Amino acid sequence: EPEVTQTPSHQVTQMGQEVILRCVPISNHLYFYWYRQILGQKVEFLVSFYNNEISEKSEIFDDQFSVERPDGSNFTLKIRSTKLEDSAMYFCASSAEGGNSYNEQFFGPGTRLTVL
Amino acid sequence: GNSVTQMEGPVTLSEEAFLTINCTYTATGYPSLFWYVQYPGEGLQLLLKATKADDKGSNKGFEATYRKETTSFHLEKGSVQVSDSAVYFCALSSLSGTYKYIFGTGTRLKVLA
Repeated sequence: EPEVTQTPSHQVTQMGQEVILRCVPISNHLYFYWYRQILGQKVEFLVSFYNNEISEKSEIFDDQFSVERPDGSNFTLKIRSTKLEDSAMYFCASSAEGGNSYNEQFFGPGTRLTVL
Repeated sequence: GNSVTQMEGPVTLSEEAFLTINCTYTATGYPSLFWYVQYPGEGLQLLLKATKADDKGSNKGFEATYRKETTSFHLEKGSVQVSDSAVYFCALSSLSGTYKYIFGTGTRLKVLA
């Protein structure tokens, strides 16, 4: 069964460093998402991506964040200069269609980011 | 704006006990509603969904009914098993933009043998 994969499973970095979180969505899906969950808090939407551009982003997704689909299979989230408050679990998701609210999003296992 | 409120966890039950995890939402219009489950070390998996009022989603013995009048989508199971131990997330799909999900905080369920 197709699944969304994410690497690494756990990333530890120093404050101020750049990190890239990687995701491989399901191959025929067209819509891609990043969410994050700070420990003990809600899963929060960060950004959605379609047709090689950001289609929606949240207030959390500031200039320190960027997304890219560099090669038609990977979908990456980059944080340019990490802060302590970026420590969270980051989930990637993909869906076959984003044009209606019925659509199921398929989630990866998450990357736990720890900023020291 | 849209929001989802879930009951606090953890919930600890004995095997074969009845499970209810409460979920209420605030939204303009009638969003689709979902329950996702996360087993240890794994991603979020869709458990069930309902797309309109009075719909009942069901899967693996779990059920939830979309109640417009109480803006609720409570998850129930008649007889839990140890293998149901996981974190359960209630979510809604927004009705505009890219239909992003809005999640509750998650409820951890632990079932004891």
